[in-house]
Amino acid sequence: AQKITQTQPGMFVQEKEAVTLDCTYDTSDPSYGLFWYKQPSSGEMIFLIYQGSYDQQNATEGRYSLNFQKARKSANLVISASQLGDSAMYFCAMRSPLDQGGKLIFGQGTELSVKP
Amino acid sequence: EPEVTQTPSHQVTQMGQEVILRCVPISNHLYFYWYRQILGQKVEFLVSFYNNEISEKSEIFDDQFSVERPDGSNFTLKIRSTKLEDSAMYFCASETGLSYNEQFFGPGTRLTVL
Repeated sequence: AQKITQTQPGMFVQEKEAVTLDCTYDTSDPSYGLFWYKQPSSGEMIFLIYQGSYDQQNATEGRYSLNFQKARKSANLVISASQLGDSAMYFCAMRSPLDQGGKLIFGQGTELSVKP
Repeated sequence: EPEVTQTPSHQVTQMGQEVILRCVPISNHLYFYWYRQILGQKVEFLVSFYNNEISEKSEIFDDQFSVERPDGSNFTLKIRSTKLEDSAMYFCASETGLSYNEQFFGPGTRLTVL
């Protein structure tokens, strides 16, 4: 069975500093995708970044990068130069192959607070 | 930019009543999903839908739940007889299925069962 674990219920970071949000996963599928979503207090789910299990390079999207360590089964999100608007819940998710339904399995989330 | 839409944004109902949550996925998408999030908890998968049938459903998705794509654009989630514990945010999502790239989420419907 697939599982996603986020061990940091809450994190604080100073504005303009970098922060790493941890995510570990477990799966027996050789092919999978890893995602990070941001959920501000307004409730919507905002896609941030995606990493494929066969991707050789770590994914980057602007200030977001994914530190993918396949052997350790970790997919940590790094946010550089934190902004006040980054304060939100962050969810790591893994998806099963489409021929198995394609569902996303989410971790418990990490609440990030950016201090001015 | 195309987006997934959901109506209503907030629904209040009495326990035992039927509710229908509506979603309009992005027009060229082929795979559709419903997720729910109980307040303060993680997002949980309910059901996936492809080619007019359910691909997978979770343990949460019992006989009280059903999904339908009645007209080629709307994608609905029906709860036949709501319970207090059905109170949650319900998210619809869709994707093209061409790659592993993102599922596009709607803004959610907050369901409150009294």
